[in-house]
Amino acid sequence: DVKVTQSSRYLVKRTGEKVFLECVQDMDHENMFWYRQDPGLGLRLIYFSYDVKMKEKGDIPEGYSVSREKKERFSLILESASTNQTSMYLCASSGDTEYSPLHFGNGTRLTVT
Amino acid sequence: KQEVTQIPAALSVPEGENLVLNCSFTDSAIYNLQWFRQDPGKGLTSLLLIQSSQREQTSGRLNASLDKSSGRSTLYIAASQPGDSATYLCASRGSYIPTFGRGTSLIVHP
Repeated sequence: DVKVTQSSRYLVKRTGEKVFLECVQDMDHENMFWYRQDPGLGLRLIYFSYDVKMKEKGDIPEGYSVSREKKERFSLILESASTNQTSMYLCASSGDTEYSPLHFGNGTRLTVT
Repeated sequence: KQEVTQIPAALSVPEGENLVLNCSFTDSAIYNLQWFRQDPGKGLTSLLLIQSSQREQTSGRLNASLDKSSGRSTLYIAASQPGDSATYLCASRGSYIPTFGRGTSLIVHP
């Protein structure tokens, strides 16, 4: 069974802090994704990565950056956290074809005060 | 650009009912359609994946169908139980990036 692990279930950070959200998958998947989920807005793609050191912007990349130095790990970075980045953050991974299923982690609920 | 719509947005049914959740998509050129369940405050759990060459998939009390030509997928839940209460999302995949619907929030009351 594929396992996608997000390092924290809950995080509380202060405005202006640099925040790292970590995601690790154990299935040697090429593709990894970061989403945020807000009530009434559904899932919105922040960034995705299709290989080590490769990344593409999603629909809402502003205020975020990502890092993928190893295949199994995809990190989301909030350079200077703001209150409007309070949200549920979801990481997902999938294999290297469009036929591959998506697998999600348990999510990180981030609160920025 | 692909758009995925799920209707209804919310549904409340008594225990034991058979029910159908709908997912429609605008571009029929998809590779697969995946159904997920999300419990409050949790991530998405994959329920069923239907590849574009398939018409349906079954797992226990769940059956998902896919009609690419009409741009529709349905998730059928037989003999619903209170434990089925959750939000159900569908996602179509026409490229590396999937497109999600906003989900149907289901409550099954005893």
